[in-house]
Amino acid sequence: GIQVEQSPPDLILQEGANSTLRCNFSDSVNNLQWFHQNPWGQLINLFYIPSGTKQNGRLSATTVATERYSLLYISSSQTTDSGVYFCAVYSGGSNYKLTFGKGTLLTVNP
Amino acid sequence: KAGVTQTPRYLIKTRGQQVTLSCSPISGHRSVSWYQQTPGQGLQFLFEYFSETQRNKGNFPGRFSGRQFSNSRSEMNVSTLELGDSALYLCASSSTGQGGYTFGSGTRLTVV
Repeated sequence: GIQVEQSPPDLILQEGANSTLRCNFSDSVNNLQWFHQNPWGQLINLFYIPSGTKQNGRLSATTVATERYSLLYISSSQTTDSGVYFCAVYSGGSNYKLTFGKGTLLTVNP
Repeated sequence: KAGVTQTPRYLIKTRGQQVTLSCSPISGHRSVSWYQQTPGQGLQFLFEYFSETQRNKGNFPGRFSGRQFSNSRSEMNVSTLELGDSALYLCASSSTGQGGYTFGSGTRLTVV
């Protein structure tokens, strides 16, 4: 099956810093989503981005489907950005499931 | 519109018991899928239902089962609980099951 790798596994920042999280996938995908898992465990959808670039406030994401990677940019980070960020892909066909990476644990210190 | 609703939020069960978790999808969404999250294995796919039919199942033992009702609500059941079943169980809904998933808040199951 498709493999999803996220880097870095851990990231520690000072408030106000910028960061880039990376997601590599081993095969072509129909859909890709970025999630932020809050302290209570809920996965909050950040972007649905099978290709191209999207922006939402301080966050933006870019997926280059032909090169099989996606990037999540966080600018001017805040302590509330802390948590685990997951990339998940849907490879298409009839599997009807998301395959997740192991996540990036982001800690933003005041 | 209302999001994905999972109940209960927390559960404590004893080994050997069984448990049923519930998930109500976003109105209009016909696909419901379930995932298990543990520190060691990460997020793993359990199964997916669409219009009351299971279309895909992950690599879990037969103790894990599910169903979907005509109103798209779904339940998953775990029988003969083991300590290793302790996990966060997440439900996701999608209009077609081919992307655009929205997750619920999860049910945290502890088996003692």
